[in-house]
Order: sequence, then structure tokens, then C-alpha cells
Amino acid sequence: IAGITQAPTSQILAAGRRMTLRCTQDMRHNAMYWYRQDLGLGLRLIHYSNTAGTTGKGEVPDGYSVSRANTDDFPLTLASAVPSQTSVYFCASSEGANTEAFFGQGTRLTVV
Amino acid sequence: GQNIDQPTEMTATEGAIVQINCTYQTSGFNGLFWYQQHAGEAPTFLSYNVLDGLEEKGRFSSFLSRSKGYSYLLLKELQMKDSASYLCAVRDSNYQLIWGAGTKLIIKP
Repeated sequence: IAGITQAPTSQILAAGRRMTLRCTQDMRHNAMYWYRQDLGLGLRLIHYSNTAGTTGKGEVPDGYSVSRANTDDFPLTLASAVPSQTSVYFCASSEGANTEAFFGQGTRLTVV
Repeated sequence: GQNIDQPTEMTATEGAIVQINCTYQTSGFNGLFWYQQHAGEAPTFLSYNVLDGLEEKGRFSSFLSRSKGYSYLLLKELQMKDSASYLCAVRDSNYQLIWGAGTKLIIKP
């Protein structure tokens, strides 16, 4: 089934550890996004990529990095996790910058 | 700053009609989206408005007034499975989506 897949689905991580959240899509979408969703707040954009080989910073990029080596994959790395990064992380993709986004199932990350 | 406002929670009765409002103040406007999100799941796309007026899609309709910075999502013939959060998002001048915090809709029998 075509779509967007995230891994892992959940993770408990010790503070200070490095962690990469994986995201893969098979829809050949140009644009990909990483959001975090916290209770009472809207989805907040962490990083985005409009096409393979390019990335940009969103609203809350500090503490996170991304890469876009190819069209399908868009991993998100936390270099040194902190408790404030406890959240649900959603990866999304869209055909272009002005079309609807499709979301992965999310990664629930707890930093302790 | 950029801001999307929607009610935090609404309650409605099965079979009834409910209207969820969204007001926005953004730097530029390149379309407004509505998404549905069931608890513990990913958001899924419902509707898109870029011009003023009403877009109807089955039981769901979405309205936009750009001059008023206002949209609503209308859900008819409510079913229990419509219990979910409804997210309003506006694409700004940089084509980035600005999201509201979502409206939790509770459907009672």
C-alpha cells in the first residue's frame, strides 16, 4: 500500500542520547516535512524539504537536524535529546508546496 | 505574529449538524485546509479552500471568507465515528502550513 512510513512508532530515550527518527514515502512526493504535536498546541514545523537535496528550517528547528539524500527518505536526528523534546513526531509529504499533505502514523518519543 | 484560532472542544448529538469555526491572521494566504485526526492517529485531509465560498464533499462542507480571515467546517448527519479533532491550517506566503491547535468534537448518542 502506497504511503508514508515512520519508525519507530514509539521510543523511550535517555536524555543526552542521539536518536534518528526514520521517514520513508513511496508516493514520489517532492516535499517532505517533520512536525511535532504537543497537547494544546497546533502542529509545529521542525524542518522541511521542498525537493531532494534541499532542506529548510521551520518554526522550531533547534536541537534537530534533517537530511534529504533522495526523494523517498527524510530522517530527523536529535543530536542530544532533552526532556522538552518529548512529543509526538509526524512526518508528512506532499506533491508540491501547494497541495495537501499526507501524514505518517507518528512516533511517540519520551525523553527521560 | 501568525495565529489560527478554533474552539478547543465542541459537543454535538448523533444525527445533528455541527459547525466548527476557524479564524486566522497570517502573513499571506495560499489556501486553507481542514484535517481530521482521531485520537492516537495521524491527521487525514478533509478539504481545501483557496477561493471564497462553500466547498461541499458528501457530509462535510467547508466555507472560506478571505476578507474576514474566516472559515468553517460543517458536518452533517453526525455519526459516532466523527468523534475526532478537527485541525484548521493556513498556507502562508512562504507556502508553509500554519496550524491551529484543533477542535475536539465529542458526539453523544
